[in-house]
This record gives sequence, C-alpha cells and structure tokens, in this order.
Amino acid sequence: DAGITQSPRHKVTETGTPVTLRCHQTENHRYMYWYRQDPGHGLRLIHYSYGVKDTDKGEVSDGYSVSRSKTEDFLLTLESATSSQTSVYFCAISGYRDRAQKALESSTDTQYFGPGTRLTVL
Amino acid sequence: KQEVTQIPAALSVPEGENLVLNCSFTDSAIYNLQWFRQDPGKGLTSLLLIQSSQREQTSGRLNASLDKSSGRSTLYIAASQPGDSATYLCAVLGNGSDNNDMRFGAGTRLTVKP
Repeated sequence: DAGITQSPRHKVTETGTPVTLRCHQTENHRYMYWYRQDPGHGLRLIHYSYGVKDTDKGEVSDGYSVSRSKTEDFLLTLESATSSQTSVYFCAISGYRDRAQKALESSTDTQYFGPGTRLTVL
Repeated sequence: KQEVTQIPAALSVPEGENLVLNCSFTDSAIYNLQWFRQDPGKGLTSLLLIQSSQREQTSGRLNASLDKSSGRSTLYIAASQPGDSATYLCAVLGNGSDNNDMRFGAGTRLTVKP
C-alpha cells in the first residue's frame, strides 16, 4: 500500500470556524489531490498539486484553499467552515506523468488514496 | 464537462456468479480510465487502469474493457465471492494538455451473498 496518512480522521466543528486537514505521503510522489465524497455525487476534485508550491483548482474549489510547502505534505484549509462542507475528504497521490513520454510513464498514472477524513460542520 | 455514470447503483448476486458492472462517460477524449474498489468507511483501492490506447486489462478474476468510441467501460468479475462485496467506482481522466481532473461515477454497490 502507498504510504498516505490523513489527519485528523474525524472532526466535528462549528460553522464559521477554520479547519485544516493534512495529507502526508512517504512515497515522494509528485502529484497530490484533495477530493470530497458525498452521497449521490461520487468523488469530486477540490484542488490538486503538481509540485511544491504548485497547485491548481478542481471542480469544487470554492471555499477551500491548499498549500504544499514540501513534497510530503498537502494541506486543505476551510477558512470559514459551512454546513455544506460536511463530507468525507480523501487525499490521493500519483507519480509523475510526462505526457510526452506517457508510454513510459503509464505505470505512474494510478492514483492511491488515503483513508479519508470525516468532517462534520454543525 | 465530462459526466460519468454507473449502472446499476446497487447489485446483489449469489456467490459464484459472474457479473458485469457498467460505466459510461460522455466525452471520449480520455487519457485513461480507472476502476476502484471502496470498502465501507475506507479509502479507494485501485483495481485496474486502462490507458486510452488499450482495450482491456486483466487482474486475477477481474477484467476491465474500454470502448472509447461508445464511451463505455465494463468491469467483469468472475466467480464472485462474498469478499468482493464493496462499492466499485470508475473514474475517467481527460486528455487535455494539463488535465488532472479525474471524474468519478457514483459507484455500484455490490453484495455477494454466501
């Protein structure tokens, strides 16, 4: 199994409070992702990172920010949590993908997921 | 915008039966398609990844096929076992120049009865 941990695993907070979730990897993978999973919606990408200090938005990025100051850590921050952000949050990692060499890099496309963080915003 | 649909949403079969899970996607310009397994309260485990140039991938009792032109993929599970009970998700990665937005289906919840 890929070495991915998420903390905390469970959190209950109140509307309007800031929350930071942490994803830590020991695989030295270049790409890291944050998803949320909600009933009926499947997983949706919030933000991703393609290197230290390099991040980009996903499908549902509003209300979230991320930071990646070192390869192994990817932080997801809810500046002011709302009840609509109650969800299960998953971090994922994948290897470097060079589209110019995708035939050689194909084995690194697999995404590996962490165990998830269940966040409840009251 | 890529839309991924999985049918059925839930499936219950007796042990030993062969079964097929379906995944369809609206945009055929994909980079790859991946099948995952998710157990209750757990993260996702990658089962099979099919590159856009491939037609199928096999791992043990699992076989995944890809038909880009029709926007479909199937996951075939042979000789199902109670341990196969889980939710199965398919996910599609687009083929844009800088596209890392993997789109997931909502999943098929499989129950294999002893």
